[in-house]
Amino acid sequence: GAVVSQHPSRVICKSGTSVKIECRSLDFQATTMFWYRQFPKQSLMLMATSNEGSKATYEQGVEKDKFLINHASLTLSTLTVTSAHPEDSSFYICSARAIAGGMAGELFFGEGSRLTVL
Amino acid sequence: SQKIEQNSEALNIQEGKTATLTCNYTNYSPAYLQWYRQDPGRGPVFLLLIRENEKEKRKERLKVTFDTTLKQSLFHITASQPADSATYLCALTSGAGSYQLTFGKGTKLSVIP
Repeated sequence: GAVVSQHPSRVICKSGTSVKIECRSLDFQATTMFWYRQFPKQSLMLMATSNEGSKATYEQGVEKDKFLINHASLTLSTLTVTSAHPEDSSFYICSARAIAGGMAGELFFGEGSRLTVL
Repeated sequence: SQKIEQNSEALNIQEGKTATLTCNYTNYSPAYLQWYRQDPGRGPVFLLLIRENEKEKRKERLKVTFDTTLKQSLFHITASQPADSATYLCALTSGAGSYQLTFGKGTKLSVIP
């Protein structure tokens, strides 16, 4: 099946620093990727929709200046948590929608990135 | 406001029995309903999708039903195995062509040998 890779899988950083998380579709192209955040025992909450070559669409309550999203190619989207604080500690998950071939339209999820801000 | 409820946070079941998980929603008219499996510290893995005009769908030991009148989906795992132990999430998509998913909190299933 299709693979979506997230890197890093775990990151620990100091408060005030910025952290970049990458989401790559390894064997398909994706014009649209989605970024979710999941707190312990909570549901995945959609943060933003990332479209290749254009600005991301953020959900209500998500600060676009804090969570910078860049979707520079059909296989890569990045989420940068700027000036991270302990309350940003969470599990960040991306998903990608395939645009061509037998998988066209299907959604595939990455393995997630655990961010811990000290 | 829109709400998705998976009304069991945890479910314990004996190996070999059928596990039944429930997903209810309010103030929503989903075009699609999906079920995912999530293991600890991992991303969700897609299991089944059912459309609003479908009543039931099966895949191996899995069965999903979708009742748009009751606004409910049931997810069944027959002949459950310890390897089925995981958190199961239901997710709704609002309209045709939309791939934005709204997830429930999930039900943690434990299959006891």
